[in-house]
Amino acid sequence: GNSVTQMEGPVTLSEEAFLTINCTYTATGYPSLFWYVQYPGEGLQLLLKATKADDKGSNKGFEATYRKETTSFHLEKGSVQVSDSAVYFCALSGEFEMDQGGSEKLVFGKGMKLTVNP
Amino acid sequence: NAGVTQTPKFRILKIGQSMTLQCAQDMNHNYMYWYRQDPGMGLKLIYYSVGAGITDKGEVPNGYNVSRSTTEDFPLRLELAAPSQTSVYFCASRIGGWGTGELFFGEGSRLTVL
Repeated sequence: GNSVTQMEGPVTLSEEAFLTINCTYTATGYPSLFWYVQYPGEGLQLLLKATKADDKGSNKGFEATYRKETTSFHLEKGSVQVSDSAVYFCALSGEFEMDQGGSEKLVFGKGMKLTVNP
Repeated sequence: NAGVTQTPKFRILKIGQSMTLQCAQDMNHNYMYWYRQDPGMGLKLIYYSVGAGITDKGEVPNGYNVSRSTTEDFPLRLELAAPSQTSVYFCASRIGGWGTGELFFGEGSRLTVL
């Protein structure tokens, strides 16, 4: 079945540092890819997404490009801020699982905790 | 905008007790989900529903039950609580549509079973 493998932290950076969080996936068909972010004490929220190969998702200074040839969707930001401290989850969807009623599922990576210090 | 609302936010249970985690959404979403989040383990799908009256098991359904009598509500029932059910539980919803996958999450319910 589909799966996501992402960098596991925790990672601590200084403000204005460059950030890369690696994410690779295994999937059949043509999944959509997502990055979700979880700020302390909150639920997850969508950060960005890409629905087909070579698409670039971007939001709040973060970017990720859907690379089908390397099955990757790495998250990058050129200059992190203290407010970016959170847990970041890579996810994919689009699997049509007949044994579970044929409903689409969203598969998450384990998450990576980022702390940005001033 | 209320979005997805979960109650309670925190609860401590004794082994063998039962309880219901409530989830309500006001976005008229068809699809609703319950996940549990264990430290360092990401999210695991417990149950999901594609519409009122329709529910199905996810990856880790044992020890839980759900119902979906209305579009808005999707309660999760824990029967005979066990320490292994200590976790943070998230309810989520989405409008549907193949491949969109965007979920809206509640703030979570932290459950401790002692």
